[in-house]
Amino acid sequence: DTAVSQTPKYLVTQMGNDKSIKCEQNLGHDTMYWYKQDSKKFLKIMFSYNNKELIINETVPNRFSPKSPDKAHLNLHINSLELGDSAVYFCASSQLGQYAEAFFGQGTRLTVV
Amino acid sequence: EDQVTQSPEALRLQEGESSSLNCSYTVSGLRGLFWYRQDPGKGPEFLFTLYSAGEEKEKERLKATLTKKESFLHITAPKPEDSATYLCAVSPGSNYKLTFGKGTLLTVNP
Repeated sequence: DTAVSQTPKYLVTQMGNDKSIKCEQNLGHDTMYWYKQDSKKFLKIMFSYNNKELIINETVPNRFSPKSPDKAHLNLHINSLELGDSAVYFCASSQLGQYAEAFFGQGTRLTVV
Repeated sequence: EDQVTQSPEALRLQEGESSSLNCSYTVSGLRGLFWYRQDPGKGPEFLFTLYSAGEEKEKERLKATLTKKESFLHITAPKPEDSATYLCAVSPGSNYKLTFGKGTLLTVNP
């Protein structure tokens, strides 16, 4: 039973394309996150949703748009992909306030060519 | 700006050879310092939370300690299955965001 699942695991696409990454959690958590891990291995928060409401919105280009249809799902849509968007994107979930003890998905490796 | 620096970047040990990983941090009012383990191709897995200087936490062969400027992750008699990247992160007192270090890649040879 996968707790936090992301699809796809790998995504290779051309510059200028639009793509989406999906995330689902079956832990009953009320808060979900998107993190980006770049080539230098730094893991950085991008967005966080609590009960479908955006609560953290870091300085991320507005080409990135998160969508939470319900508290078990948080998708990430990226418009006009650029080479610099290449990274591993992690979805995570937790109960509100337990942000540090979040459960992470396996990641989506996005490569923009 | 909050900063986390981990050293060394990579550490290779023989099975049973104890050592420590370092995490130096600067943060405006520490809410907490956190350690994670990340296996290749997977997301980070939470290990410990430390809140104040002098605090220690243990889990199997791992022990985390905290001072006002740094944290150590001590690994006693490591086994090959302890091989992973260990990440350190801090959260400031003003919000719930985490700032991560680059991690230390630990390899334990049998």
